[in-house]
Parts: sequence; structure tokens; C-alpha cells
Amino acid sequence: DGGITQSPKYLFRKEGQNVTLSCEQNLNHDAMYWYRQDPGQGLRLIYYSQIVNDFQKGDIAEGYSVSREKKESFPLTVTSAQKNPTAFYLCASSIDTGTGLHGYTFGSGTRLTVV
Amino acid sequence: AQSVTQLGSHVSVSEGALVLLRCNYSSSVPPYLFWYVQYPNQGLQLLLKYTTGATLVKGINGFEAEFKKSETSFLLTKPSAHMSDAAEYFCALPGSGYSTLTFGKGTMLLVSP
Repeated sequence: DGGITQSPKYLFRKEGQNVTLSCEQNLNHDAMYWYRQDPGQGLRLIYYSQIVNDFQKGDIAEGYSVSREKKESFPLTVTSAQKNPTAFYLCASSIDTGTGLHGYTFGSGTRLTVV
Repeated sequence: AQSVTQLGSHVSVSEGALVLLRCNYSSSVPPYLFWYVQYPNQGLQLLLKYTTGATLVKGINGFEAEFKKSETSFLLTKPSAHMSDAAEYFCALPGSGYSTLTFGKGTMLLVSP
């Protein structure tokens, strides 16, 4: 079955360390997205990519970085510059690259905790 | 830029009662809207897609969506709540430039026996 795989499901990081969250899709979708979810805050967009080797900042990109070297993969790095990284991170993909008309397919998320 | 507001961070209903969740938009009528459902520690699942102009849209698990232009609202309803409906519900509208979706802050639906 096609879908989006996020790994790991739980991740613990020490303060000052960078950490990379994996997101892989086999849906042949062009667009991929990273959202951050905090209790009571809904989903906030971190980065998105509509095509390989290109990506755009979302509303809360500071302290994060991404790459899109392959269509299937869109890893997110949480850097030490992110002041409050503890959150639930969701990756999504869409067959759309411009209209959002078909909505998103979501992964199951990665819960990152800074210890 | 379009903003989306979900009224009520928590809604409590009894099993068998009507479920009604509301999503308000801020500016022009969006061409479409999505309702997603999220169970604890999981990703979001598409519940239904509403396209402006439709009168009523049926989604999964018995949910329906209705557009109230006079109230700048989209309603998500289910005639009879089931315990398994307890989850968080998000609406999403096209974001700036229509390249992304803007999500509401979510409404947690609590179902009591």
C-alpha cells in the first residue's frame, strides 16, 4: 500500500544537538510538507517543497532546515537554534503542487522531546 | 490572508447525541475546505472535502459537511455520536497563494456514555 512513513515515532534529543526526522513517501506525490503540532496550537507550517531540489519556508522555519534530493524523501533537521523543539512533527504530501485541491496525505508523526 | 477559526477547543456530547463542529473563515468564500480527524499520537486522516457550491457533502464515519455563507461558517455534523468518534477535528482552507493549507487549531470531541 502507498503511504507516508515517518521515523522514528519517538525521538529524544539533548539540548544543543541537531536531530533529523525522516519522511518517505511512495505515493509519487510531487509536493511534501512539514508541520509542527503543539497542544492548542493546531498545525503550523515549517517548510514545504513542490519539486525536487526546491523548497520554501513556512510560517515557523527558524531553527529548522530541510532538503529534497529525491522525490520520495523530505527530511527535516531540527537544529540547536530552535529554542523550543519539543513537539509533534507531521509530514504530509500532496499530488498537487499549486492548488491544494486534493488535500494532503499525512504520516503518523514523530514526537520529539528535548531532555 | 485567509484565517480559519474553529469555535470551541473542546466539545462534549453524550453517545447518541448530535455532533456539531464549526469552522469560520475570515475573508472571501474559499473554493474548498477539508475536515481532518486525528486520534491520539497519530497523523491526520481525511474526513471529507467540501467544495463550495455543494449543499451537503458526506464523509466517512457518518459525518457530513454543510456550508453556511451567511455565517461565514462550515459545519461538520453527525446525527448520532459514537464513542469511537472521540478525537480531535481540524478544518483546513487554502493558504496564501493556494500553495498550502491553513489549519484551524482543532476541536477535541469528547463523547461520554
